[in-house]
Amino acid sequence: GEDVEQSLFLSVREGDSSVINCTYTDSSSTYLYWYKQEPGAGLQLLTYIFSNMDMKQDQRLTVLLNKKDKHLSLRIADTQTGDSAIYFCAESSYYGGATNKLIFGTGTLLAVQP
Amino acid sequence: DGGITQSPKYLFRKEGQNVTLSCEQNLNHDAMYWYRQDPGQGLRLIYYSQIVNDFQKGDIAEGYSVSREKKESFPLTVTSAQKNPTAFYLCASSSFSGNEQFFGPGTRLTVL
Repeated sequence: GEDVEQSLFLSVREGDSSVINCTYTDSSSTYLYWYKQEPGAGLQLLTYIFSNMDMKQDQRLTVLLNKKDKHLSLRIADTQTGDSAIYFCAESSYYGGATNKLIFGTGTLLAVQP
Repeated sequence: DGGITQSPKYLFRKEGQNVTLSCEQNLNHDAMYWYRQDPGQGLRLIYYSQIVNDFQKGDIAEGYSVSREKKESFPLTVTSAQKNPTAFYLCASSSFSGNEQFFGPGTRLTVL
């Protein structure tokens, strides 16, 4: 079945780059997403990548997709303390029609040390 | 300001009571979703609705009910049949194709 896996925790120093990894199982996924969740808050869509792309860059964020290995990564350059949050990877699959169902990973807690 | 609002932010319920969580959006989105989040877990889909007066069960619909009488609103009722209702509930909305789902701030439900 569909499954998305992430490591639970990542600690980096302020100013370093962070790389958060994710593996997924549904090879038919059309889009793959990265969401950010701060404590007690909803999810903020950071970026997403279409499955026929290898890379997408958006300011400090770089998404890499290896479709062969079903591996997705999010690189945050010059990580700041404000980047401390839980990051969720999600894959899309069609669910009972046109609706795009998202399958979420368990989230990676990013802790940025000053 | 366009967005998704959820109320209340915190909700306490006694066992055996039904409670209704509110979700409203002014993004003119066709589709709306309810997810449940438990500690250390990803989000799980409870119900979704693609258009007014229509909704479908997600992966964990048992013990929950929804309605979609207006495009802007998608309330979720947690019934007494839900065995373990304490969780963080998130509402989301998207255009019909759902490529980008936007989330509300969530409601934390605690059963006493």
